[in-house]
Amino acid sequence: EVQLVESGGGLVQPGGSLRLSCAASGFTFSSYSMNWVRQPPGKGLEWVSYISGGSSTIYYSDSVKGRFTISRDNAMNSLYLQMNTLRAEDTAVYYCARAGGAYNFESWGQGTLVTVSS
Amino acid sequence: DIQMTQSPSSLSASVGDRVTITCRASQSISSSYLNWYQQKPGKAPKLLMYGASNLQSGVPSRFSGSGSGTDFTLTISSLQPEDFATYYCQQSYSTPWTFGQGTKVEIK
Repeated sequence: EVQLVESGGGLVQPGGSLRLSCAASGFTFSSYSMNWVRQPPGKGLEWVSYISGGSSTIYYSDSVKGRFTISRDNAMNSLYLQMNTLRAEDTAVYYCARAGGAYNFESWGQGTLVTVSS
Repeated sequence: DIQMTQSPSSLSASVGDRVTITCRASQSISSSYLNWYQQKPGKAPKLLMYGASNLQSGVPSRFSGSGSGTDFTLTISSLQPEDFATYYCQQSYSTPWTFGQGTKVEIK
């Protein structure tokens, strides 16, 4: 069974940094591309970033480009999101999601809440 | 960026009703890259359909999808109590991959 478990969320001040992690199990992690998708409280879904299985291809949404860095450690079956220069508008539940065929979001973790506030 | 617009934003329906949700893309996309998700309160989204009309494994056959170009639909043939949720369409045709704003299906 595919399992994705996010961690690392919390309260951070504007301008601060946070590193999210996603622990994967139940599948061959290195064979799958992964994504981060976020959802502000009470609002819709926004794709944040994508990384291919071997880390050779990385994409970001314009809203986080230059501030967030996606990475993965296939030996540890883990996905990461380093978030710097955080803003109030980054407040959201952050989900890691395994990519399916045609870049859909096939499996999701339970999410971790990031709150940016002073 | 490709904008995805869903209609309606919310609807009220009864168990057994046929429900249709529409999703319109701001430019033509291949149907292979149109996906639908279901999200229940406090839970992560779940992939329902991919490639516009393909049911994800384990999804009941009362769900169906269709469409091409810019116009796509998700239909629930006979609404069940467990189907009350928010539904999102999403295009994976070009980055940034974008979602519709969601359609909340509520109990009448």
